[in-house]
Amino acid sequence: EVQLVESGGGLVQPGRSLKLSCVASGFTFSNYGMNWIRQAPGKGLEWVAYISSGSSYIYYAETVKGRFTISRDNAKNTLYLQMTSLRSEDTALYYCARHPPPPGGWFAYWGQGTLVTVSS
Amino acid sequence: DIVMTQGALPNPVPSGESASITCQSSKSLLHSNGKTYLNWYLQRPGQSPQLLIYWMSTRASGVSDRFSGSGSGTDFTLKISSVEAEDVGVYYCQQFLEYPLTFGSGTKLEIK
Repeated sequence: EVQLVESGGGLVQPGRSLKLSCVASGFTFSNYGMNWIRQAPGKGLEWVAYISSGSSYIYYAETVKGRFTISRDNAKNTLYLQMTSLRSEDTALYYCARHPPPPGGWFAYWGQGTLVTVSS
Repeated sequence: DIVMTQGALPNPVPSGESASITCQSSKSLLHSNGKTYLNWYLQRPGQSPQLLIYWMSTRASGVSDRFSGSGSGTDFTLKISSVEAEDVGVYYCQQFLEYPLTFGSGTKLEIK
């Protein structure tokens, strides 16, 4: 069974940093691209970042480019999102989601999310 | 960026009736390979989103055949035949033709 478990969320002050993790199990993590997707309280879904299986291809939403860094450790089956210069508008539930093999681009597997609150 | 625009539903929808959710993209999602790069999700209250449809009309594994997707290059419809209580939630369309991947703003379905 595919499982994705996010962690690392919490309350952080504006301008500070936070690192999220997503541990994957139930599939060969190194074979799949991965994504971070977020959802502000009461709002819709916003794709944040993608990383290919071997980390060769990385894409970001403009709203986070230059502040967030997606990475992965295939030996640890873990996806990361390093978030810096956090703003109040980054407050959201952050999901990790598995990417299918190209040319697919849907999210069949999601974690339960980890909540990030940016507030002073 | 490709903008995805979703229509609203005349809520609440009577149980057993059909419901159609519309989604429009600012750019054609029909690729030269003949496939349309459009997905649909349902997010039930308090849950993570669930994939319903990919490639515009292919049902995901385990999804009821009451759900069907159709459309052209820029106009899409998710049809739910005979809505049930478990269909309540917010429906999102999403394009994957190009990055950044983008979602529609969501369409809420309520059942009467």
